[in-house]
Amino acid sequence: DVQLVESGGALVQPGGSLRLSCAASGFTFSSYAMTWVRQAPGKGLEWVSSISISGASTYYADSVKGRLTISRDNSKNTLFLEVNSVRAEDTALYYCARVQGDIWGKGASWFDPWGQGTLVTVSS
Amino acid sequence: QTVVTQEPSFSVSPGGTVTLTCGLNSGSVSTSYYPSWHQQTPGQAPRTLIYNTNTRSSGVPERFSGAILGNKAALTITGAQADDESDYYCVLYMGDGNWMFGGGTKLTVL
Repeated sequence: DVQLVESGGALVQPGGSLRLSCAASGFTFSSYAMTWVRQAPGKGLEWVSSISISGASTYYADSVKGRLTISRDNSKNTLFLEVNSVRAEDTALYYCARVQGDIWGKGASWFDPWGQGTLVTVSS
Repeated sequence: QTVVTQEPSFSVSPGGTVTLTCGLNSGSVSTSYYPSWHQQTPGQAPRTLIYNTNTRSSGVPERFSGAILGNKAALTITGAQADDESDYYCVLYMGDGNWMFGGGTKLTVL
């Protein structure tokens, strides 16, 4: 079965940093682009970042550009998201998802499946 | 600033039909945005229902269908059931490896 398991969420103080991980199994990780989506408590889903198959191309929402870094280790089937200079508005459940299709818009692309999420709470 | 719009809430009777929409505050949604729809029940991860405008994801019941209606993407539930009560999110591909979610629609079945 295809499975995505996030980890690394924690309580962190404003201005701090943390790294989230997403362990993939049940599919050829190195053949798919990946993405992070977050959901603040009681709010909707927000696309945060995506990364190409090789990791050479990365994309970020304007709201997080410069503070978040997406990366991947295809040898370990793992996706990462580094969150720096955390702010209260970064408090959210962070989901990783596999990107089906073409990340560059030459054809349809969508997120499936999704992990269960890891919770980041920013508070002093 | 581009915003993807969805109805904040909607209500449908059991067995009824409901159409949720996904638009843009400026411009029209077309198939080139590759709209997809995701269902989320409280405390659960999202589940993909529809992708590429109108393709049902594996295991999704036929009562869920997607289309472009006018200048919006649409998700129609025909013969709504109690367990369809969820939040529904559309997401559009905005180009250059970027996506944008709508604010979500809370569907009540009663």
